[in-house]
Amino acid sequence: DAGITQSPRHKVTETGTPVTLRCHQTENHRYMYWYRQDPGHGLRLIHYSYGVKDTDKGEVSDGYSVSRSKTEDFLLTLESATSSQTSVYFCAIRNEQFFGPGTRLTVL
Amino acid sequence: AQSVTQPDIHITVSEGASLELRCNYSYGATPYLFWYVQSPGQGLQLLLKYFSGDTLVQGIKGFEAEFKRSQSSFNLRKPSVHWSDAAEYFCAVPISSGSARQLTFGSGTQLTVLP
Repeated sequence: DAGITQSPRHKVTETGTPVTLRCHQTENHRYMYWYRQDPGHGLRLIHYSYGVKDTDKGEVSDGYSVSRSKTEDFLLTLESATSSQTSVYFCAIRNEQFFGPGTRLTVL
Repeated sequence: AQSVTQPDIHITVSEGASLELRCNYSYGATPYLFWYVQSPGQGLQLLLKYFSGDTLVQGIKGFEAEFKRSQSSFNLRKPSVHWSDAAEYFCAVPISSGSARQLTFGSGTQLTVLP
């Protein structure tokens, strides 16, 4: 299995608080992705990265920012969490051939 | 815009029966196509992918899929379903946007397997 970990795996937070999710890979792949999964919507791309410090927006990027300061880590930040951002978040690498285990985020 | 549609939200089959999950795509050229499986509480696992060439693609766990250009379909099949196949299945097509290729997913088909 590809070495992809996500942290935390579960988080409950309150509306208006900042939240950062981390994706860590040990595969040295150039491309990394953040998706959110919601019932009836499948997976939707939030942001992706094509190299260190190189990122771009996906389909549902509003309210999210990302950073990639080194190859192995891709961070997803919710600057001010809202209830609509309650979801399961997945990281992926290598043109989405490998997915992480997911982070379940609940915003109260 | 490129997209995929999975017409069946939920399918129930008996263990040992054959399975076919439908996926229809909307794409101008010959698409790349993917099928993923997601077990409860887990991430997605790539079952198989079609890039070009042979229209019948073999994947892991005994699954196969057939690309049919005339029907704009890429249906997933398995001749004999096992209880462990109960999961959600997603079809996906990559689109080129911005600086990288991105995947667009169907909304998924939930498979229930009866004993």
